[in-house]
Amino acid sequence: AQSVTQPDIHITVSEGASLELRCNYSYGATPYLFWYVQSPGQGLQLLLKYFSGDTLVQGIKGFEAEFKRSQSSFNLRKPSVHWSDAAEYFCAVGVLYGGSQGNLIFGKGTKLSVKP
Amino acid sequence: DTAVSQTPKYLVTQMGNDKSIKCEQNLGHDTMYWYKQDSKKFLKIMFSYNNKELIINETVPNRFSPKSPDKAHLNLHINSLELGDSAVYFCASSQGVSDTQYFGPGTRLTVL
Repeated sequence: AQSVTQPDIHITVSEGASLELRCNYSYGATPYLFWYVQSPGQGLQLLLKYFSGDTLVQGIKGFEAEFKRSQSSFNLRKPSVHWSDAAEYFCAVGVLYGGSQGNLIFGKGTKLSVKP
Repeated sequence: DTAVSQTPKYLVTQMGNDKSIKCEQNLGHDTMYWYKQDSKKFLKIMFSYNNKELIINETVPNRFSPKSPDKAHLNLHINSLELGDSAVYFCASSQGVSDTQYFGPGTRLTVL
């Protein structure tokens, strides 16, 4: 069955420190992978996505993620965290049904807190 | 202009009532979705519509009935509301299955 695992429920980092949020997926075919961010009381905003090609993808707000097929991982990174990055981060895999339709399966999210 | 909009943003109601949440997208997308986010922030697909046709219907009680009057709208009607229906409901849209899904701001439903 398809699934997404985000092992870290809550991470706290100091402002200016580097960040890595982990994501592992289980999917039988080539995955479409996404990272979304949800600020308190807000909807979900796409940070970046991987469909094919270069395994290192760049996103908005200085985030990047690397797809590693051998590890079934799609970890999110940022070299220097800003206080405004405090939010909930969701990894998702796009699942296809019959080749023409599908939906997203989400991980349970990682809450990021940023210390001054 | 808002790409995906939902109304209302907050909905507080009593058990047993019937309520609707509306969703509209102005992106020209063919596919729209409803997701439920529970109190632990877990997001799960409920329904998917393509060109007004139901494609995915996960194990959702039949008290939930989506309605798509046209490609740009996907409304969610809920009958006989229960305490467990309290959650945040997100609408989303995409051009195709492998395209990015754009999410609305969410509707926080509280059933008392």
